[in-house]
Amino acid sequence: AQSVTQLGSHVSVSEGALVLLRCNYSSSVPPYLFWYVQYPNQGLQLLLKYTSAATLVKGINGFEAEFKKSETSFHLTKPSAHMSDAAEYFCAVTVFSGGYQKVTFGTGTKLQVIP
Amino acid sequence: GAVVSQHPSRVICKSGTSVKIECRSLDFQATTMFWYRQFPKQSLMLMATSNEGSKATYEQGVEKDKFLINHASLTLSTLTVTSAHPEDSSFYICSARVRKLAGHEQYFGPGTRLTVT
Repeated sequence: AQSVTQLGSHVSVSEGALVLLRCNYSSSVPPYLFWYVQYPNQGLQLLLKYTSAATLVKGINGFEAEFKKSETSFHLTKPSAHMSDAAEYFCAVTVFSGGYQKVTFGTGTKLQVIP
Repeated sequence: GAVVSQHPSRVICKSGTSVKIECRSLDFQATTMFWYRQFPKQSLMLMATSNEGSKATYEQGVEKDKFLINHASLTLSTLTVTSAHPEDSSFYICSARVRKLAGHEQYFGPGTRLTVT
């Protein structure tokens, strides 16, 4: 079984401030972890992914996330928020095992950037 | 909470045949539904966006004549893979978006594993 918890359905930051979006997961097998961004009226876009290589993953638009197994976390960060970062962000855990595949999404975090 | 179902959860079909995947929002009406595919160890890739009663909008590189999307009602969208080939074998996921007072909410289906032999 697997699950994803995103703490904070809404997060507000000032432009230029640090962005921190939290994601905790549980999985009975080694997971692949993803962060997706969704802009209004658009589908999900991949921000970054962890696939058991480096624990610090860099993605697009200056975002990065660190996989911490001991904390079962995969928090998303960006040093300086930009107005264009305002969107909804989804954390997802995917398990691939032979012919078995399962994706579990968090409930999403809406990021508001205040000028 | 809101639930999105997909049927079937797994399907095996022969090359050249067509297969239909259903995506239903069980206790809410979805203004928009999205269809994604995911290859092993890869991320989701958006295939198309569909709004009830209108034609789906396909992403670049997705063949609309091969992946037919019908959004017949506010609770049902279907994806039909026509003349399936082994390279169409993938994991297909839908999501449904609903407008609420505080903005939109989105819910994901459990996915459908398609294997084309």
